[in-house]
Amino acid sequence: VQLQESGPGLVKPSQTLSLTCTVSGGSISSSSYYWSWIRQPAGKGLEWIGRRYTTGTTTYNPSLESRVTISVDRSQNQLSLKMTSVTAADTAVYYCARVDMARFFFDSWGQGTLVTVSS
Amino acid sequence: QSALTQLPSASGSPGQSVTISCTGTSSDVGGYNYVSWFQQHPGEAPKVMIYEVYKRPSGVPDRFSGSKSGNTASLTVSGLQAEDEAEYYCSAYAGNGVFVFGTGTKVTVL
Repeated sequence: VQLQESGPGLVKPSQTLSLTCTVSGGSISSSSYYWSWIRQPAGKGLEWIGRRYTTGTTTYNPSLESRVTISVDRSQNQLSLKMTSVTAADTAVYYCARVDMARFFFDSWGQGTLVTVSS
Repeated sequence: QSALTQLPSASGSPGQSVTISCTGTSSDVGGYNYVSWFQQHPGEAPKVMIYEVYKRPSGVPDRFSGSKSGNTASLTVSGLQAEDEAEYYCSAYAGNGVFVFGTGTKVTVL
C-alpha cells in the first residue's frame, strides 16, 4: 500500500487547514485497518492527531479534539483532515498512516506534507 | 494523554549495543502489549522497526530487539552500524482507540 498526502503548504492564522491522503494499492474500506493522521513540528517529536475506521468510528487526541475532523471518501479512496482555527503552533509536517487494528501499530506511512501557518 | 518519556540521546561505537528506554503509565505502555518502535532519518517518514513489544516486520535486521517491563519498554540495537544513526520513537496504544508517541531519542554512532 502507498499513502500520499496533499494540500496547501501555507495556511493563514485562524483559518482551516485541509489535507487529503490518497491511498493506493489497498482499500480504505478494509476492515483490517484504521487510518490515522500524525504531525511533527520541525525538530520536534511525533504527535498523534486521530484515527478513523471504515465504520465511521473516529477517535481524536484530546488536546486537538475540539478543532479536528477526520473523514473518509470511499469513492476516491482518500482520508481527509480538517483542523480549524490554526495558529503558528500547528506548523508541522503532517503524515497519514495506516494502523494494523489487530496489532495496533502504524505499519505504513505517507511521505508527509509540510504545512506552514503564517500570514 | 502525555507523551511517553524517552531520553533525548544515546550513543555507541560501531559494533557495540545501545538500549533506548520508553516510559509510560499503566494506561499505555504497561496496560497493553502494543508498543512499537520507529526509526526516522532526517527528512524521511518514520519506519516501523518493532511492533507488539518485540516483533520485527519482515526486512528489519535481527540486530533490533524489543522488550517491556512494567511501564517501561526498551529497544536494543546490537552490532551498531553507521546507518542506525537516526531518531527513534516509541509508540503505545492507550485504549479506546487512542495512541501516544514517545519524545524521541537521537542515536549517534560514534
